[in-house]
Amino acid sequence: GAGVSQSPRYKVAKRGQDVALRCDPISGHVSLFWYQQALGQGPEFLTYFQNEAQLDKSGLPSDRFFAERPEGSVSTLKIQRTQQEDSAVYLCASSLADRDIGRLIFGPGTRLTVT
Amino acid sequence: AQTVTQSQPEMSVQEAETVTLSCTYDTSESDYYLFWYKQPPSRQMILVIRQEAYKQQNATENRFSVNFQKAAKSFSLKISDSQLGDAAMYFCAYRSDFGNEKLTFGTGTRLTIIP
Repeated sequence: GAGVSQSPRYKVAKRGQDVALRCDPISGHVSLFWYQQALGQGPEFLTYFQNEAQLDKSGLPSDRFFAERPEGSVSTLKIQRTQQEDSAVYLCASSLADRDIGRLIFGPGTRLTVT
Repeated sequence: AQTVTQSQPEMSVQEAETVTLSCTYDTSESDYYLFWYKQPPSRQMILVIRQEAYKQQNATENRFSVNFQKAAKSFSLKISDSQLGDAAMYFCAYRSDFGNEKLTFGTGTRLTIIP
């Protein structure tokens, strides 16, 4: 597609529910990133894929967070047993890796509200 | 670990005037990249400008330029001839030159343009 798409755009979950957030990167983009952005803050790194390989998951805040990219394109971020502190905008970004260093193409984000 | 600090939560500038946004960072690495990203209200984050640490010359992109002071670990963004469309959150970001492509973002500066 023309850009990075994310779905759903908005998600309200009751505390304790599991949620799955989807990211469709730009076709051909090797690298994919997930970031968490709390209200009024900068994006915080969660995890990074190069093709289907998850090369860095150091930013995942707990073992309730899990991400996958099984075929090297679409990625899913799953949050189990959601907590109120998980409320944030979850941003997905993709890039051409070292062919255009640092130019991440961001999606519109999924705003997660945990009640 | 690298950190990025933006000490100006909010800035404002008259239309057509010039404004400078500040950013400092901390790293023990000698090779890295620095970026300014723009996040307009309700729109996707986009790359504004990129600076390679090994280059002494400051990067420029039309009305946007940076003042990169490597020894001081300072990286400010100057916007000349400010336009209404420049109103946005601006994030400074750091990327290591080694391996991992992830960006580390600052907390952002909200720029308001006064007509």
